[in-house]
Parts: sequence; C-alpha cells; structure tokens
Amino acid sequence: DGGITQSPKYLFRKEGQNVTLSCEQNLNHDAMYWYRQDPGQGLRLIYYSQIVNDFQKGDIAEGYSVSREKKESFPLTVTSAQKNPTAFYLCASSPDREETQYFGPGTRLLVL
Amino acid sequence: GQQVMQIPQYQHVQEGEDFTTYCNSSTTLSNIQWYKQRPGGHPVFLIQLVKSGEVKKQKRLTFQFGEAKKNSSLHITATQTTDVGTYFCAGRGSGYSTLTFGKGTMLLVSP
Repeated sequence: DGGITQSPKYLFRKEGQNVTLSCEQNLNHDAMYWYRQDPGQGLRLIYYSQIVNDFQKGDIAEGYSVSREKKESFPLTVTSAQKNPTAFYLCASSPDREETQYFGPGTRLLVL
Repeated sequence: GQQVMQIPQYQHVQEGEDFTTYCNSSTTLSNIQWYKQRPGGHPVFLIQLVKSGEVKKQKRLTFQFGEAKKNSSLHITATQTTDVGTYFCAGRGSGYSTLTFGKGTMLLVSP
C-alpha cells in the first residue's frame, strides 16, 4: 500500500525528555511537513522540507527539530525546550510544494 | 503574516438540512484547498480552487472561490450523518510555499 505512516499512534513522555516522532512515506513525494493540532484549533506548521537535506522553519518551530536525510523519512524531535508539547502531531507529504497534501494518521503526544 | 479565518466554529444540524462554512483570508490567495477530518482521524483532501469566481461541485458539496480570491465557502446540501467531521480551509498566498489553515468548522449531524 502506498501512503504515509506515523509511529507510534500514542506516545507518553516525561517532562524534560526529548522524544522523536517517526514519519515515513512511500509516495515518492519531494515535500514533507509537520503540523501540530490542538483541540479546537487548526493545523499549525512546525517544519517543512521541500527536498532531501533541506528544511525550513514553520510558524511554531521553537522547541522542535527535524532532519531529512532520506526522501521517504522526515522525523520530528520534540525537545525539552518545548513548553507545552501535549498535542496531536500530523505529518504530511506532497509531490511538490504547490500540490495537495496527504496526511498520515498522526501521533498523539502526552506529557506526564 | 497571512491569516485565514473560518466561521462558524461549530454547527449542529438535523439530517437533511443544509450546511455552509465560510473562509476569509487577510491577503489575496493564489489558491485555496479544503480538507475534511473525521473524529479521531486525519485531514483528507477534498478539493483545490485556483481561479477567481471558481465553483466546483462534488455530489452534494459545492465549493466557491471569491472574485477577489480572498474568501471561499463550502456548502453541503441535505446533510447526512456521514458528513460529520471538521472541515478546514487552507489558503496559499502569492509567493508563499506553505498553506495556512483555518481553525475549522465542526459539523455535527443528528439523525
């Protein structure tokens, strides 16, 4: 099956710990994105990458980091510097930056 | 920065009633996309509008892009329980490479 996978579905973290969320796509898309969704809120862009080995900050990048070493993978690290990390994290990809975005199933992160 | 406002935030209708959600941008858009997110799910692409005044239909759903390319609407005729979810608009400004999402309209349909 072609698509985007995110793991894990649920993730619990203790305060002060870094945690990495996985995002993999086999759609051969160039562009990938990370969004954060809070209850009653829209999607806010954390980071995006238009090509391998290149990425840019979105609107709320503070406390997050990413890498894009392979075309199919775009992991997101939530660092201890992120003050309010509990949220639903969505990864998306698109053939290029102008095209439709396809979303993964998301990871719900809960900080204990 | 670019802002996209969406209203209403929430709407509860009886099955068979119509539903409309509106999206307004603070800047002129090059295009606008609409997504649907079912409860507990992830956003799924519905449609993209590019041209000024464009109207597109998908069965009971009608999408419009304003003449000034700063507003858009989604109208659902004769809602069904399967229409339940949150509908998001997402605009791309001229010269922007990213989408700005509205906060969404949550639709609840009672049988």
